[in-house]
Amino acid sequence: EFQLLESGGGLVQPGGSLRLSCAASKFTFDAYAMTWVRQAPGKGLEWVSTISGSGDSTYYADSVKGRFTISRDNAKNTLFLQMTNLRAEDTAIYYCAKPQPDMRLYFDYWGQGTRVTVSS
Amino acid sequence: EIVLTQSPATLSLSPGERATLSCRASQSVGNYLAWYQQKPGQAPRLLIYDASYRDVGIPARFSGSGSGTDFTLTITSLEPEDFAVYYCQQRFNWPPLTFGGGTKVEMK
Repeated sequence: EFQLLESGGGLVQPGGSLRLSCAASKFTFDAYAMTWVRQAPGKGLEWVSTISGSGDSTYYADSVKGRFTISRDNAKNTLFLQMTNLRAEDTAIYYCAKPQPDMRLYFDYWGQGTRVTVSS
Repeated sequence: EIVLTQSPATLSLSPGERATLSCRASQSVGNYLAWYQQKPGQAPRLLIYDASYRDVGIPARFSGSGSGTDFTLTITSLEPEDFAVYYCQQRFNWPPLTFGGGTKVEMK
C-alpha cells in the first residue's frame, strides 16, 4: 500500500522558515503530481501547492505564493515544502497527498500530517 | 476561484438514519467533484470522485450525485463509524483546487 510520511514541522517565530519533507514509498513516485494541503486548527482543508511528476511545473495558492516553494527529489522519493516569511495564519497541520493517476487531482492517499505552529 | 458551499454545517442524526449532504459550486464544475471523510486526528479519506464513483473499498452506503453546480453525498444508513466531517473538492478549474467548508455529521 502507498505510504506517505511527513516530517519537519515545529514551532517557529513569525518571519521564520521551515522545510517540510514527505517521504513516499511503495509507489512510482515520479509518475504522480504531488500536493500539499493544510488545515488550520478547527478549520477546513486548504490546498497549498502542487508539483508535477517531473518537477517542471509548480502551482501555489495565492496565500503562500512568493513565500513557499514546493520541490521534489524523485531519486529519493521525497517531496518538500520550503516555507519562508511565516505568518501566524500559516499555523496548521500540513498534509502531503498523492493524487489518483493521470493528473486526476483527487487525493487517494494522505500522510499523517506534520504540525506547524507560527508564534512568538 | 470556484467557491464550494456545503450545507448544512452540522447534521444531527442517529445511527441507521439517512444523511444527505449538499455541496454547491459558485460556477459549473462539470462532474469534477470529490467527497472526503475526515475523523478527528486523522487525514481525510477519499470517498467519491467525479461526483458519483466510489473509491476503492468505500462501502456501498455512500453515494454521490449531481453535476454542474449542485452535488449531493448520501449515506443511506448511518453506521457509528460514519460520524465525521465531510468535505467536497473540485478539480475542474485550478489553480486553485478548492474545498468546501465541511459538514459535520454528529450523533443525535
